[in-house]
Amino acid sequence: ETGVTQTPRHLVMGMTNKKSLKCEQHLGHNAMYWYKQSAKKPLELMFVYSLEERVENNSVPSRFSPECPNSSHLFLHLHTLQPEDSALYLCASSQDPPGGSYEQYFGPGTRLTVT
Amino acid sequence: GESVGLHLPTLSVQEGDNSIINCAYSNSASDYFIWYKQESGKGPQFIIDIRSNMDKRQGQRVTVLLNKTVKHLSLQIAATQPGDSAVYFCAESPPLMDSSYKLIFGSGTRLLVRP
Repeated sequence: ETGVTQTPRHLVMGMTNKKSLKCEQHLGHNAMYWYKQSAKKPLELMFVYSLEERVENNSVPSRFSPECPNSSHLFLHLHTLQPEDSALYLCASSQDPPGGSYEQYFGPGTRLTVT
Repeated sequence: GESVGLHLPTLSVQEGDNSIINCAYSNSASDYFIWYKQESGKGPQFIIDIRSNMDKRQGQRVTVLLNKTVKHLSLQIAATQPGDSAVYFCAESPPLMDSSYKLIFGSGTRLLVRP
């Protein structure tokens, strides 16, 4: 595997379900991100992990719970979601300073539908 | 607040013509800008970047222009091809914050290439 991978690629869940999204980066980066992409909206940054510590949480509802067990893996745990949470969830990674760059490498995303 | 926006939500061009996609940014202190391309069913992919100490940078068939006076960024695609059909996002990076890089994305422009 190369780059940034995400599983599953598609997920349909009911509002009472609990599911998790997985992201893995094979680039040796030390920072990982979760974004939400809805129709006709800019990419919304949800969480940032740098060196496995959460450094940003952009007022995301508690029904979204991130987990970063190591620098290569990132999870997004979902529970009691709402239909408006249906979106494409993108994971990205980058190399933070020192010696890094601003470029973020994205995975293909998980298309989530909440019924 | 900080924001990055695009002037045209959809741009339709004839195959072989040049395309110009525009972007306005609001943070005059941003020192790095990046263009991403997102094809259907895929995550955003890096196209080209530019630092604030430059006003032009060229890649293969693409050129990014930066006008700091009016806080405007543009992406020029020469000899547009059907494979260029995608959504294009600009992103800006404010000065390094909290030892982390951060990108703020615009809302995106859809480029349609007519055969």
